[in-house]
Amino acid sequence: GEDVEQSLFLSVREGDSSVINCTYTDSSSTYLYWYKQEPGAGLQLLTYIFSNMDMKQDQRLTVLLNKKDKHLSLRIADTQTGDSAIYFCAVPHSGNQFYFGTGTSLTVIP
Amino acid sequence: SQTIHQWPATLVQPVGSPLSLECTVEGTSNPNLYWYRQAAGRGLQLLFYSVGIGQISSEVPQNLSASRPQDRQFILSSKKLLLSDSGFYLCAWSVLAVGGYTFGSGTRLTVV
Repeated sequence: GEDVEQSLFLSVREGDSSVINCTYTDSSSTYLYWYKQEPGAGLQLLTYIFSNMDMKQDQRLTVLLNKKDKHLSLRIADTQTGDSAIYFCAVPHSGNQFYFGTGTSLTVIP
Repeated sequence: SQTIHQWPATLVQPVGSPLSLECTVEGTSNPNLYWYRQAAGRGLQLLFYSVGIGQISSEVPQNLSASRPQDRQFILSSKKLLLSDSGFYLCAWSVLAVGGYTFGSGTRLTVV
């Protein structure tokens, strides 16, 4: 099956940039997603990128995709305390299912 | 607009008791529906998914079952809960995989 890996923890200072990385194994994925989970809540879709793109920018969020290396990253500029959460990358599989990474817990230090 | 409702938000149940968690979707037709479990606040494990009424696929053999009695209703059940069933249960829907999932707010189940 699909293997989606992320680092478990990341700490940054408020105002700095955060970079959350994800690697995957299934090269047939046409879309790749980033979700955010705040404590005790469900997952919220943050952004996604088509596999024929290598970059997508949406306000403070930048998604970079390296298809050759099967590497996806999420950059958050000017990180705020409200960005503290767990971030999951997700890769579609079999048309109906997603494989989720293990999640990266982002802690923003004031 | 599409919304997803999941309840209850928290539940404490004794070992051996039954379970019923419900999820309903509004504003869309024939969605794909999913139940995930998140243990220890981290990884998501797909438990069941459904592409239509009465159509349930199980990903992990276990003490749980799912049913879809109506197009926009998905129910997670157990006849006898185990301690290992504790976790955070998330319902999600999608119309097409390319559109991503929309998740419910989750149910925190503690089996004591």
